[in-house]
Amino acid sequence: RKEVEQDPGPFNVPEGATVAFNCTYSNSASQSFFWYRQDCRKEPKLLMSVYSSGNEDGRFTAQLNRASQYISLLIRDSKLSDSATYLCVVPSNRDDKIIFGKGTRLHILP
Amino acid sequence: DVKVTQSSRYLVKRTGEKVFLECVQDMDHENMFWYRQDPGLGLRLIYFSYDVKMKEKGDIPEGYSVSREKKERFSLILESASTNQTSMYLCASSRGFGTAYGYTFGSGTRLTVV
Repeated sequence: RKEVEQDPGPFNVPEGATVAFNCTYSNSASQSFFWYRQDCRKEPKLLMSVYSSGNEDGRFTAQLNRASQYISLLIRDSKLSDSATYLCVVPSNRDDKIIFGKGTRLHILP
Repeated sequence: DVKVTQSSRYLVKRTGEKVFLECVQDMDHENMFWYRQDPGLGLRLIYFSYDVKMKEKGDIPEGYSVSREKKERFSLILESASTNQTSMYLCASSRGFGTAYGYTFGSGTRLTVV
């Protein structure tokens, strides 16, 4: 299994819908993760952390499935401004650094 | 508002030139990183530093060097720019390693080598 893997998308979703995407990881000892958001031609920005108990921030919910080794990001009542690439971040297998996924592109359609 | 500032947003350089990319952070973070981002390849770590004058190679250090003379400043140097170094370069800083600490990125430098 790759250290981190994401479906590149794009996910084309109508405004107001709920969308979810996953990120699989290989480091079974991983305790915490991040989701970053990257707008077109901009830098990645931290969206939310993911802990074993999950995390919710408004319309966004991040969850961890330790048994199957994936994290998920769910966006409810999607807005046009949610259109972006979402990068997951997981601990490296090899050292104490982090690995960025290649991202999932999300397009919210009016 | 905490910040990581990269000196140039866009740069165009000629093949063979020596190129300096500068990054400054105001968060008193110990760790600083240089990544490049290319379509389909994602973010790849070039070099990082965990202290002043300390540096470590990342996954793709060939053709690059770095300098960290002060805690707040981390410079990426392309010794002799080549066209395959055309990319988006992103600097980041963090209080620590691993997923206990978030990374804050600069706005990036889009470098074109012609």
